[in-house]
Formats: sequence, C-alpha cells, structure tokens
Amino acid sequence: EVKLIESGGGPVQPGGSLRLSCAASGFSFSGSPMSWVRQAPGQGLEWISYISTTGRTIQYADSVRGRCTISRDNDDKSLYLQLDSLRVDDTAVYFCVRQGSVLHWGPGTMVTVSS
Amino acid sequence: QSALTQPPSASGSPGQSVTISCTGTSSDIGSFSYISWYQQVPGKAPKLILFEVNVRPSGVPDRFSGSKSGNTASLTVSGLRPEDEADYYCVSYAGTTNPSIFGTGTKVTV
Repeated sequence: EVKLIESGGGPVQPGGSLRLSCAASGFSFSGSPMSWVRQAPGQGLEWISYISTTGRTIQYADSVRGRCTISRDNDDKSLYLQLDSLRVDDTAVYFCVRQGSVLHWGPGTMVTVSS
Repeated sequence: QSALTQPPSASGSPGQSVTISCTGTSSDIGSFSYISWYQQVPGKAPKLILFEVNVRPSGVPDRFSGSKSGNTASLTVSGLRPEDEADYYCVSYAGTTNPSIFGTGTKVTV
C-alpha cells in the first residue's frame, strides 16, 4: 500500500522559512517522480513543484519559484520542500504526491503564515 | 501551466445524475488519455475515483463514469447519493514537462 506522510508544517511569521518532509513507503520511491501540491483554505488544488526520479529535472510553479526548493533522498525514501520568504498567501495544506497515471496523496501538512 | 476549466458548482437531487466537464487544450486532454478524477471532502486528501478517462479503482461504485471528447473530459455521477456531496477535480497528464495539470474544481451539492 502506498503511504505518504508529510511533516514539518506549522505556524510561521511572514518572511520566515519552513522545511516540509514526506516519508514514503509501500512503493518504489526511487522509481517514482514526486510533486508537492497545496490547497489554500477554501480554494482549489495548486501544483507547486515537481522532481524527477533522480532529481535531475525540477520544476516550480510561478507562484513559488525563487522561494522554494524541492529535493529528495532516495536512500531515505523522503521528499522535501524548503519554503523561504513565506507570505501570508502561502498559507495552505501542503500535500506530498506520487506522480504516475494516477496520483497518490499524503494526508497533508498545514502551513500557516501569519504575524 | 494553465489550469483545466471546470464549472464551479453542480447540483442534483438524490437519484438524479450530474455531469461535470473539464476543458483543457490540444496539449493536454486533447493529446492524452491519462485523465483522472478525484473526490475531496473537507479536511481530507483527494481520493481517486477514475483514471485513464473511465477506469474505476477497486471500491469505487459504478455510479461514477468518465468520458473524453476532443479537449474536454467529463465525469458523470449517476444515482446521486448524499455521500457524493464533495469537491471534484480533474487532472490531466500533458507530457514530461507537465506531468499533472489540475482542474479548477467543482463543488457538487446533493
């Protein structure tokens, strides 16, 4: 069974930083491209970043480019998202997603940016 | 990476059917059959209900069906039940540089 567990969310002040983690199990993590998707309160799903199996291909949405760094550790079966220069509109639930013909989702971790 | 367009809301009475459209372009929906649909209730992660246009995962009732024509995919929920009330999102593959394009989401009210 595919299992993805996010952690690292919490309250943070504008301008601050957070590092989100995602622990993966139940599938070939090193063989799976991964993404982060977020959902602001009451809003739709927003893809924000993608990383290929080896980490050689990385993509970011315009909304986070320059403030966000995705990475992975295939030995540890972990996905990461470093969020810097956080803004109030970054407040959202952040989901770790396994890419494929279907998407597998973690339960999400809440990031609240507020002064 | 533009979002796929869905109607903001749809509704029906119990037992009726509702169809949700998902409109993309010739670069995504029009070119690939890797279209999936997800159901999301408040506070939960999205749940897969259809993949590859019209394939239901195990456990998803056959009241859920999908189709595609040109640049538009559709989800039909037949025999609406109160538990179908949720947000629904389509997702399309659009190539290696755009592995997932999300729909804007549709709130279904029963």
